Amino acid sequence: GNSVTQMEGPVTLSEEAFLTINCTYTATGYPSLFWYVQYPGEGLQLLLKATKADDKGSNKGFEATYRKETTSFHLEKGSVQVSDSAVYFCALSGRSGSARQLTFGSGTQLTVLP
Amino acid sequence: DSGVTQTPKHLITATGQRVTLRCSPRSGDLSVYWYQQSLDQGLQFLIQYYNGEERAKGNILERFSAQQFPDLHSELNLSSLELGDSALYFCASSVATGGEIGGELFFGEGSRLTVL
Repeated sequence: GNSVTQMEGPVTLSEEAFLTINCTYTATGYPSLFWYVQYPGEGLQLLLKATKADDKGSNKGFEATYRKETTSFHLEKGSVQVSDSAVYFCALSGRSGSARQLTFGSGTQLTVLP
Repeated sequence: DSGVTQTPKHLITATGQRVTLRCSPRSGDLSVYWYQQSLDQGLQFLIQYYNGEERAKGNILERFSAQQFPDLHSELNLSSLELGDSALYFCASSVATGGEIGGELFFGEGSRLTVL
């Protein structure tokens, strides 16, 4: 079946540090890949996505590139801010049975200190 | 604001009881999904409805059931509650069946269930 593996947290960084959160996946076919973010007390919201190999998704300074050869979709940001503190979920959209399903990783808690 | 509304936001109940969680999807969205988020299990897909019909089932217990009504709102019914059912339950919606290439889900803020 489909699965997503994320680097374990929590991750604590100082403001303006470089961020990488690793994500690898297992899926049949050609899934779409997503990063969702969950701020404290809120639901998940889409951060960025990529729908085919070598696509780069980007939003709010975050980037991730769909690497089919390494089945990875690592999230990066060059300079994090305190407001980036949240839980980040990697996800893939792939076929499971008769429907396409969104499968999430376990989430990575990021705390950015001033 | 995602446009997805969930009620109640918090619920405290006892073991053996039954509760109903409600979700109103974004205007125009036909698909509704239910997810359970707990500390030990992460974010687990429970069930999906599309335009009133069950579309896909995930790790949903037999004690749990859901439905989507003609006005597209959805309810998740949890019965014979156990301590382990304590979790945050999210509803999400999407325009189509969801998970299509490039598809996005819009999440509500969740209903936090505590079973004592």
